[in-house]
Amino acid sequence: AQSVAQPEDQVNVAEGNPLTVKCTYSVSGNPYLFWYVQYPNRGLQFLLKYITGDNLVKGSYGFEAEFNKSQTSFHLKKPSALVSDSALYFCAVSGTYKYIFGTGTRLKVLA
Amino acid sequence: NAGVTQTPKFQVLKTGQSMTLQCAQDMNHEYMSWYRQDPGMGLRLIHYSVGAGITDQGEVPNGYNVSRSTTEDFPLRLLSAAPSQTSVYFCASSLVTSGSSYEQYFGPGTRLTVT
Repeated sequence: AQSVAQPEDQVNVAEGNPLTVKCTYSVSGNPYLFWYVQYPNRGLQFLLKYITGDNLVKGSYGFEAEFNKSQTSFHLKKPSALVSDSALYFCAVSGTYKYIFGTGTRLKVLA
Repeated sequence: NAGVTQTPKFQVLKTGQSMTLQCAQDMNHEYMSWYRQDPGMGLRLIHYSVGAGITDQGEVPNGYNVSRSTTEDFPLRLLSAAPSQTSVYFCASSLVTSGSSYEQYFGPGTRLTVT
């Protein structure tokens, strides 16, 4: 069965510092991996995806993610955090028509 | 292009009442899905559809019914509401190929309270 784990409920980072939000997955076959962001009282917005190809994927708002097959990880990164990046972030894996989401990581960027 | 729309935005039901949450998309996406979001549990898949006339169960289907008579619409029916169904419900749609879906587009959500 496929699954996604986000080990941190909350990540705090100072504005201007690099940020990392962790995600590990378990899926048979080749995974389709995604990151989404949710702002308060809104639906989820797509940030980036990995389907195949280059292990470093670039997405919206300066975010990127690195696919690591040996560690089954897909961590979200940004070189320099902004206060406006504060939100709830979800990692997800898609396989056999079912999307599985992680429990979410709340990112708090401190001014 | 409205994307994914959901109605209503808010709803309060009494235990035992039934209702339908509406979802529509105008992007001609084959795949549509319903999730519920509860604190600390992320999003859990209720039902999904890969095209008109085709639906299947997700992770938490009990107490919910769906149908898909058109590509655009994917309503979610609560047959007999229970307090455990108090949640925020999101509808989403995407393209699909070879058994997997691409990035999903989400509606704004429906906040349901069952008393």
